[in-house]
Amino acid sequence: KAGVTQTPRYLIKTRGQQVTLSCSPISGHRSVSWYQQTPGQGLQFLFEYFSETQRNKGNFPGRFSGRQFSNSRSEMNVSTLELGDSALYLCASSQWTSGDGDTQYFGPGTRLTVL
Amino acid sequence: AQSVTQLDSQVPVFEEAPVELRCNYSSSVSVYLFWYVQYPNQGLQLLLKYLSGSTLVKGINGFEAEFNKSQTSFHLRKPSVHISDTAEYFCAVSGGGSYIPTFGRGTSLIVHP
Repeated sequence: KAGVTQTPRYLIKTRGQQVTLSCSPISGHRSVSWYQQTPGQGLQFLFEYFSETQRNKGNFPGRFSGRQFSNSRSEMNVSTLELGDSALYLCASSQWTSGDGDTQYFGPGTRLTVL
Repeated sequence: AQSVTQLDSQVPVFEEAPVELRCNYSSSVSVYLFWYVQYPNQGLQLLLKYLSGSTLVKGINGFEAEFNKSQTSFHLRKPSVHISDTAEYFCAVSGGGSYIPTFGRGTSLIVHP
């Protein structure tokens, strides 16, 4: 099976702009989660989608939003970009079979740089 | 609430030496534990996980970890490391209805020739 894919791999934006990142999960996986990874804060959970519904949300401002489509593909959007939004954004998918013990499969990430 | 502490931010070691990366967790419920590896410019890849049963878990690339409930630890070990093991290693915990894993801050393993 193909792994989790994320597009684009690299993005450069300026403050105040908005950005949309895309994630295609592994075929058959219905849960998609998004994380922000920075050197200072480590891996921080943004939100999780399951069957087109946001099921969990981390502690991020409303500028961060996402959605999931009927084919399980997901997008996240960041509006009014700030310098501090520069990070590696990781998408992870899981099958949702055992719930708590499910393995998350990560994509390679999108490296966002805000100038 | 769950939390994970990776006690070492960086572990330098020489090639072919053994290594242990330490992980302690805090949780009031039964847990599932994971170790992930991240190579430069890549996403995270699962090394191994503990769900139940034997407390010694074997993973890919010769790594293993031991679940110690009394010490709330899940340390990762490899008897002989290779240069290619240089990477960032993350410990994570989930459970008790919280299926979103909580990640530690990561340990950078640096293998010197």
